[in-house]
Amino acid sequence: GQNIDQPTEMTATEGAIVQINCTYQTSGFNGLFWYQQHAGEAPTFLSYNVLDGLEEKGRFSSFLSRSKGYSYLLLKELQMKDSASYLCAVMDNQGGKLIFGQGTELSVKP
Amino acid sequence: DAGVIQSPRHEVTEMGQEVTLRCKPISGHDYLFWYRQTMMRGLELLIYFNNNVPIDDSGMPEDRFSAKMPNASFSTLKIQPSEPRDSAVYFCASKRTGANYGYTFGSGTRLTVV
Repeated sequence: GQNIDQPTEMTATEGAIVQINCTYQTSGFNGLFWYQQHAGEAPTFLSYNVLDGLEEKGRFSSFLSRSKGYSYLLLKELQMKDSASYLCAVMDNQGGKLIFGQGTELSVKP
Repeated sequence: DAGVIQSPRHEVTEMGQEVTLRCKPISGHDYLFWYRQTMMRGLELLIYFNNNVPIDDSGMPEDRFSAKMPNASFSTLKIQPSEPRDSAVYFCASKRTGANYGYTFGSGTRLTVV
């Protein structure tokens, strides 16, 4: 079966650092993605990990441990505009199908 | 690049009516996906196509739902008859072959069935 777990909601302060965790159990694995979705908008691509380790892109970093079925998204120097839902997703072995977690609603407060 | 284009943006219809949602993928993308998003269930994959051929429709909830992709630049998702529980945001997404390409999503169609 397919199971992707992430916290439902988190709150953080502007300027701080926040880590959003994701654990997964899927029948296949061909990469893990993080998407950002603002209210009323479409998800937009943030990061992709297929090998273990940390990928850094500006204020955002994503980490993957395949043996543990675990990933996290790290957001630094939080800004108010970072308030959004963050979706963890796993691509299956066929390289086509993307299965999403329920998303983590992040609220950034002044 | 115009991105993935979906129409209409909003649709309000009465229970029992037929609803057709439309999607134009990004040119050159050979995969097309239909997702449904609700507060309760999150983003659910309904069906996806590769080179216009349906590959996996296991997420289609019932026979009331059908999807077609007659050519590389157009796809439809049809609900007939519609029911209030079909109310959701329906997203279309496309991608190019290769696991390191994320999906590009359209703006979605917000469907309300009353």
